[in-house]
Order: sequence, then C-alpha cells, then structure tokens
Amino acid sequence: DTTVKQNPRYKLARVGKPVNLICSQTMNHDTMYWYQKKPNQAPKLLLFYYDKILNREADTFEKFQSSRPNNSFCSLYIGSAGLEYSAMYLCASSRQGANTGQLYFGEGSKLTVL
Amino acid sequence: AQSVTQPDARVTVSEGASLQLRCKYSYSGTPYLFWYVQYPRQGLQLLLKYYSGDPVVQGVNGFEAEFSKSNSSFHLRKASVHWSDSAVYFCVLSPRQGGRALIFGTGTTVSVSP
Repeated sequence: DTTVKQNPRYKLARVGKPVNLICSQTMNHDTMYWYQKKPNQAPKLLLFYYDKILNREADTFEKFQSSRPNNSFCSLYIGSAGLEYSAMYLCASSRQGANTGQLYFGEGSKLTVL
Repeated sequence: AQSVTQPDARVTVSEGASLQLRCKYSYSGTPYLFWYVQYPRQGLQLLLKYYSGDPVVQGVNGFEAEFSKSNSSFHLRKASVHWSDSAVYFCVLSPRQGGRALIFGTGTTVSVSP
C-alpha cells in the first residue's frame, strides 16, 4: 500500500482558532513532509521530520508546529489561524531523503480560514 | 538561487494531439529533475525522473522528458494525449548535495478536449 492519508480533507476555521491536520503512512518511510500550496503558486515546504528530528523552514518557523508520535503519523498544528493560512496542505513521505525525488503525497487538506 | 520556471500556466490540447510542457531551472550544476502529476481529486504522483545519463527519460503513460544542460531545461512531451491526461503537471528540482527540499514549479494545468 503506497498511500498517504490526510485528515480532514476539508477544514473550516475561524481567525484566531487553532487548527490540527493529521497525516499517516504505512510504508515505514523515515521522512515525512508538510507542504503548503496556494492557488497559482508552487508547493512550499513548511517542515519535515527525518525520523524523530524536526526541521522547519526559516521563514515559517514560528507559524507552524508539528509532532510525530510514531513513524506512521505526523501532524501539522497552527496555534492561531490567520486569513493567510488558507491553503491546501500537502503531506508527503519518503525513504532515505528527498534527493531521490520519490515522494508519496496525500490528497491534501484544504484549509479555509474565515 | 535555485528555482524552477514553468512559463505556461494553462495548456489546452485536443485529444490525439501532441503535448509539450516547458520547464526551465536555475541551479549551479546538474540537479535531479522530476515531473509530478496531480490528477483531479488525487495526490501528486511521480511521472518520471532524471538523475544522469541518457537525457531522454521515459515515464508512465507514454510521457517522456528531455534534459538539456545547455538550455537548463527539462521539457515534458507526449506524442498523443488522451482525455485522462487532463491534470496539473509540476516540474521539480532536487539539489544533488544535501538537504531534502524539493523545489517545485508553479505547475501547468493541462486540459484535453474531445
């Protein structure tokens, strides 16, 4: 099974409220990623876990949190949603890093902040 | 700076016609290059990849891409498109040395008309 599952598929949130997005994979991949995708823009890497080590991009360091309680699950947490967080959030996983290019993506979680 | 440019945001082709999607990259050296595709209501999937060697690489569903170091390009082609090829296509770069971040283009939406 080469699928990555994301929940929820659609999330409506109020400004200032927290948001938690969940991702799971059963491929025993060592690395899990979160990307943000806005219309007409390229997917933007927010953070990734290599095993238990979290790496966050410098420009989104304070905006997003994440946890990986076990190899299969990874969450993306927004403490206080703003309008600018409205986007599609893509989870992906890979084995032995992204340099090989073989990432497996979920269908995405569409977040709308009102 | 490393970047990927897909100059065509949307392309419409007739079923049975040929397709070429353009991709230019900026990278000091030879990167790993990929094309990913996102079909409606599905996650991104790897279409093909280039690591080294023969500049023409074959992918799934009759797609191929040609790497040109002199032009810094990695164009995608298909000889005869089918309606099921309607999707968003992303050109992606991975640095050869270090890091796990993939650099995405903004994507080209392909619509195949009957």
